[in-house]
Amino acid sequence: GESVGLHLPTLSVQEGDNSIINCAYSNSASDYFIWYKQESGKGPQFIIDIRSNMDKRQGQRVTVLLNKTVKHLSLQIAATQPGDSAVYFCAETRMDSSYKLIFGSGTRLLVRP
Amino acid sequence: EPEVTQTPSHQVTQMGQEVILRCVPISNHLYFYWYRQILGQKVEFLVSFYNNEISEKSEIFDDQFSVERPDGSNFTLKIRSTKLEDSAMYFCASSRTGLFGYTFGSGTRLTVV
Repeated sequence: GESVGLHLPTLSVQEGDNSIINCAYSNSASDYFIWYKQESGKGPQFIIDIRSNMDKRQGQRVTVLLNKTVKHLSLQIAATQPGDSAVYFCAETRMDSSYKLIFGSGTRLLVRP
Repeated sequence: EPEVTQTPSHQVTQMGQEVILRCVPISNHLYFYWYRQILGQKVEFLVSFYNNEISEKSEIFDDQFSVERPDGSNFTLKIRSTKLEDSAMYFCASSRTGLFGYTFGSGTRLTVV
């Protein structure tokens, strides 16, 4: 079922530590996944993406892991900085679709100085 | 860096009134989308638009909603008779070819009173 509500799960980390944010996606037919960062009052900002034929992809300070067996996605942020504080959403889609994105319910990341 | 521009940033309207939310997608993009986000909840797909027609719409996008690309640069979302539950952030997005360059605007906060 869907997980919605006024209270987002929150991850609080110390500046400099690594962060891991998890997401369960819903559709086993989805073949493309994206992580977005959303700061207060702004739209979702692209962080990193991964196709279903991969299980890991690395960017600058970020890594996305995909486990299709259990429909699980994770975002790892290395050396977390205060500027990383935001809400993080995973999104899924199918590449043969109209490219609509289905968003997860989000995790708030708080970075303690 | 190219941006998706949305106006106004905040709109207050009376219940039953019509509103038009405006978006200027990135100039060489071909796919256009509207999403909404009720306060504290996840981002939800409303509609996708390609080649001057709707390619997919969600259950939320009922007869009260319409989209238009009137002049080759603007992309609008109209709500004919607003309800209290239409209060949300509305995000426009555009992409070059499907998933490439998928970019969100900063949103319009719609408040229906």
